Amino acid sequence: AQSVTQPDIHITVSEGASLELRCNYSYGATPYLFWYVQSPGQGLQLLLKYFSGDTLVQGIKGFEAEFKRSQSSFNLRKPSVHWSDAAEYFCAVGVGGATNKLIFGTGTLLAVQP
Amino acid sequence: DAEITQSPRHKITETGRQVTLACHQTWNHNNMFWYRQDLGHGLRLIHYSYGVQDTNKGEVSDGYSVSRSNTEDLPLTLESAASSQTSVYFCASSPSGTGGTDTQYFGPGTRLTVL
Repeated sequence: AQSVTQPDIHITVSEGASLELRCNYSYGATPYLFWYVQSPGQGLQLLLKYFSGDTLVQGIKGFEAEFKRSQSSFNLRKPSVHWSDAAEYFCAVGVGGATNKLIFGTGTLLAVQP
Repeated sequence: DAEITQSPRHKITETGRQVTLACHQTWNHNNMFWYRQDLGHGLRLIHYSYGVQDTNKGEVSDGYSVSRSNTEDLPLTLESAASSQTSVYFCASSPSGTGGTDTQYFGPGTRLTVL
């Protein structure tokens, strides 16, 4: 069955430090992978997505993610975290080809220390 | 600007009452989705629609229904609200996919409390 695992429920980093949020997926075919961010009291905003091609994907707000098929992973990274990056981050896998359905992970809550 | 809106943003209701949450998008997207967000579960799909008169059950559809009479709206109805349906509800839309999965655009959410 398709699934997405985000092993870290809560992460705290210092402002200016680097960040890596982990995401592992289980899906039999070529996955379509997404990272969304949710600020407090807000809806979800797309950070980046991977469909095919270059396995290193650039997104908004200075984020990037790398697709590693051998590890079934799609980890999100940022070289220098800003206080405004404090939010909840969700990894998702698109299933069913053109059906546009998404399966979400349980999310990682990021706190940023001054 | 095109957008997706949800109303109400907050709702308190009593067990057994019927509740309808509205979702309206102005992108002219064919695909619309309803999710619920609960601590420890992330977002789970309730119902979805690929166009007018089309509706499909998602992962957690029991106790919920939707109808799609036009492209812009997909209201979510709780037939008889239960305390287990206390949650934050998100609506999303996406253009029709052609061989791939398109980005879903999310509304701001509705926080529903069932007492």
